Amino acid sequence: GAVVSQHPSRVICKSGTSVKIECRSLDFQATTMFWYRQFPKKSLMLMATSNEGSKATYEQGVEKDKFLINHASLTLSTLTVTSAHPEDSSFYICSAREVRNSGNTIYFGEGSWLTVV
Amino acid sequence: AQKITQTQPGMFVQEKEAVTLDCTYDTSDPSYGLFWYKQPSSGEMIFLIYQGSYDQQNATEGRYSLNFQKARKSANLVISASQLGDSAMYFCAMRGLNSGNTPLVFGKGTRLSVIA
Repeated sequence: GAVVSQHPSRVICKSGTSVKIECRSLDFQATTMFWYRQFPKKSLMLMATSNEGSKATYEQGVEKDKFLINHASLTLSTLTVTSAHPEDSSFYICSAREVRNSGNTIYFGEGSWLTVV
Repeated sequence: AQKITQTQPGMFVQEKEAVTLDCTYDTSDPSYGLFWYKQPSSGEMIFLIYQGSYDQQNATEGRYSLNFQKARKSANLVISASQLGDSAMYFCAMRGLNSGNTPLVFGKGTRLSVIA
């Protein structure tokens, strides 16, 4: 079946540095990918919608300059956390919908645990 | 706007018994999809089952079945013959189907614990 791969699965970075998280659709094309953030014991919170070849659409309250999203191809979207701070530590997970699919299945990556020290 | 409500923060079930996880929703979209995902402690989101708003029959996938009551706007997940490995967080979600770019909206989740 369709697979979405997310990398890295775990990353620790120093405060003030930037971290890039990749989300790849392995066997299907995804014009749209979604980035979520999840705090411990909480639900998934939509951060932004990543559109191939155009600017991402950010949810209210999400800083677009801090969470840079690039969707350069039909199989890859990246989330860059810039000038990371400890409060950015969280679980980040992406999802994708297959282009030819009517929308019945949304595939998720494995998620990325970010720890900023 | 869409909203998913899961009123059970935690549930316990005896191994081999069946359990129902509640989910109600609200939407103005005439066409929508309802999803259930399982999230173990590792964090991955495992797709379990899907129900389209115009599907006549309730969806079933192995031990999972979705009790869809459109008039009541409910989409409860039924897990039969619970196993210890079913212990996890379970999220109900939905999305409108009129546009290809609508994201999933999630409920707060229910933590299921299966007891031996």
